Amino acid sequence: DVKVTQSSRYLVKRTGEKVFLECVQDMDHENMFWYRQDPGLGLRLIYFSYDVKMKEKGDIPEGYSVSREKKERFSLILESASTNQTSMYLCASIGRPDTEAFFGQGTRLTVV
Amino acid sequence: QQQVKQSPQSLIVQKGGISIINCAYENTAFDYFPWYQQFPGKGPALLIAIRPDVSEKKEGRFTISFNKSAKQFSLHIMDSQPGDSATYFCAARVAWGNQFYFGTGTSLTVIP
Repeated sequence: DVKVTQSSRYLVKRTGEKVFLECVQDMDHENMFWYRQDPGLGLRLIYFSYDVKMKEKGDIPEGYSVSREKKERFSLILESASTNQTSMYLCASIGRPDTEAFFGQGTRLTVV
Repeated sequence: QQQVKQSPQSLIVQKGGISIINCAYENTAFDYFPWYQQFPGKGPALLIAIRPDVSEKKEGRFTISFNKSAKQFSLHIMDSQPGDSATYFCAARVAWGNQFYFGTGTSLTVIP
């Protein structure tokens, strides 16, 4: 049973703080993704990675960066958190192409 | 630009009724069309998926109808139950691709 685990369910951070969101998957998947979910906007892709140390920008990368030092771990970094980054963040992983996506439980981030 | 357009944004259905959610796409390279179900506080999970070589797929009370010529697909939930209350996302992916394009989501409420 594939597991994608996000390190925190809820986070409250102050404006200007550097924030790290961690995601770990246990199925040796090559592809990992970070989305943010906002009402009425659905899931928007921030960054994705198809291999260790590789990263690609998604649709809304501004204000974010990522790190993938190990295959199982994909980190999302908010360099200087702002209130408009208050959102639900979802991590997902996909194994070989043509298979389904598996999601973590989400991290609800509030920036005050 | 939204690659997959989903409607309605919200839906209220009586218990026992039929819930219908619609999606449309433009990219003819899409080859896999899943639906994801998300309960509050959880990440999305695969519900049912279809490929364009069939026009319908049924799993229990859930059916995907697919119209390749119109580039539309829909989710039908028969005999809707309060436990079906969730957010539903349609998605699409190109053949052997590693990136999903999601609709904006539909919040379904089934009232007893």
